[in-house]
Amino acid sequence: DAKTTQPNSMESNEEEPVHLPCNHSTISGTDYIHWYRQLPSQGPEYVIHGLTSNVNNRMASLAIAEDRKSSTLILHRATLRDAAVYYCILSYENNAGNMLTFGGGTRLMVKP
Amino acid sequence: EPEVTQTPSHQVTQMGQEVILRCVPISNHLYFYWYRQILGQKVEFLVSFYNNEISEKSEIFDDQFSVERPDGSNFTLKIRSTKLEDSAMYFCASSEPLAGGNEQFFGPGTRLTVL
Repeated sequence: DAKTTQPNSMESNEEEPVHLPCNHSTISGTDYIHWYRQLPSQGPEYVIHGLTSNVNNRMASLAIAEDRKSSTLILHRATLRDAAVYYCILSYENNAGNMLTFGGGTRLMVKP
Repeated sequence: EPEVTQTPSHQVTQMGQEVILRCVPISNHLYFYWYRQILGQKVEFLVSFYNNEISEKSEIFDDQFSVERPDGSNFTLKIRSTKLEDSAMYFCASSEPLAGGNEQFFGPGTRLTVL
């Protein structure tokens, strides 16, 4: 499985933008980039996914490098509720039914 | 908004006992999954299930584990003879069979404690 590398932790101030990086230098052409997050004592929660183009949704934006070897999850205005572990995951062909392989993720701490 | 539900929220059992963890996936979803997370560790995939059969399973999902969709709504994980190392949070998830989509919706989890 293609692997991802993320910083163990990051800190942000409330109401400021947060850029969470992810390296995936061995990504293949059919791998989709997914981001999930896990709030304390909860199950993982889907955030966003993309293949080649940048993506926006109500939760976040995903910026994908032109060579696809890295991506950045952007939270435009961090809130205290965004404090969570963020996981960058590659999913082969993005087929429904594919297992998600979670790494250690980035623990985001948001300061008031 | 539809959500995945799991029962019980916490299950305590003695080593060697059988446990059944229950999940109600989102109603129009057709793919179902079980993951587990040992305290302080990564979320690990156990099994995926589609069309009444296992579509993929990990090395963790050995003969002591089984899954079933006994009716149109429930999806269960059975552990036949629990071990101490089975203590973990168990998350159920489901997804729609959309082309180009693998967004998985997770439940809140069942905390299994094996004594």
